[in-house]
Amino acid sequence: SQQGEEDPQALSIQEGENATMNCSYKTSINNLQWYRQNSGRGLVHLILIRSNEREKHSGRLRVTLDTSKKSSSLLITASRAADTASYFCATPPAGGTSYGKLTFGQGTILTVHP
Amino acid sequence: EPEVTQTPSHQVTQMGQEVILRCVPISNHLYFYWYRQILGQKVEFLVSFYNNEISEKSEIFDDQFSVERPDGSNFTLKIRSTKLEDSAMYFCASLGLAFYNEQFFGPGTRLTVL
Repeated sequence: SQQGEEDPQALSIQEGENATMNCSYKTSINNLQWYRQNSGRGLVHLILIRSNEREKHSGRLRVTLDTSKKSSSLLITASRAADTASYFCATPPAGGTSYGKLTFGQGTILTVHP
Repeated sequence: EPEVTQTPSHQVTQMGQEVILRCVPISNHLYFYWYRQILGQKVEFLVSFYNNEISEKSEIFDDQFSVERPDGSNFTLKIRSTKLEDSAMYFCASLGLAFYNEQFFGPGTRLTVL
């Protein structure tokens, strides 16, 4: 089993539509993070949600966390062509320190058509 | 805004050769990491480094790999004898105490082993 699995694997939408990506994980966490990766580029941190939070907003991003279902979702509202990228969820070690390794999911490839 | 930098952006080498990938983490950060991403796959943790020593390493990080912080600014990953399967994007990341588990990633070095 793998920690952090996103679905769908690929998502194709039109500009202006909302995009929703989901992430499931296996073990308990103290936070979950979402990263974006433009094609062939580095990872950009988008948002971190703590285990005691259920929802968090940042601009056009909305992240939810359901610890009972061990799942999180990332919603991008009013998508733009520039949002085209791969999106990954990542979790630190269960019950560990804040400074441990991150475990990444396979990612969702989002394509936003102009 | 401070950022993690990596050099070179692309390295091509022959199988069996040694390579050194370089990273300059954000100054005053204390925790340093290397991850890699084989094309089309997810980001995998290699090693974490704190207080001038390895704090954790993955199964991938075998005797062919080593890390070093030779001075106060650089953080290097050495692969002693490269294999074809070492071809990947290598990301450096750093984390400071002011940011709760947010690792700042560099743009990556694409390593191609021929």
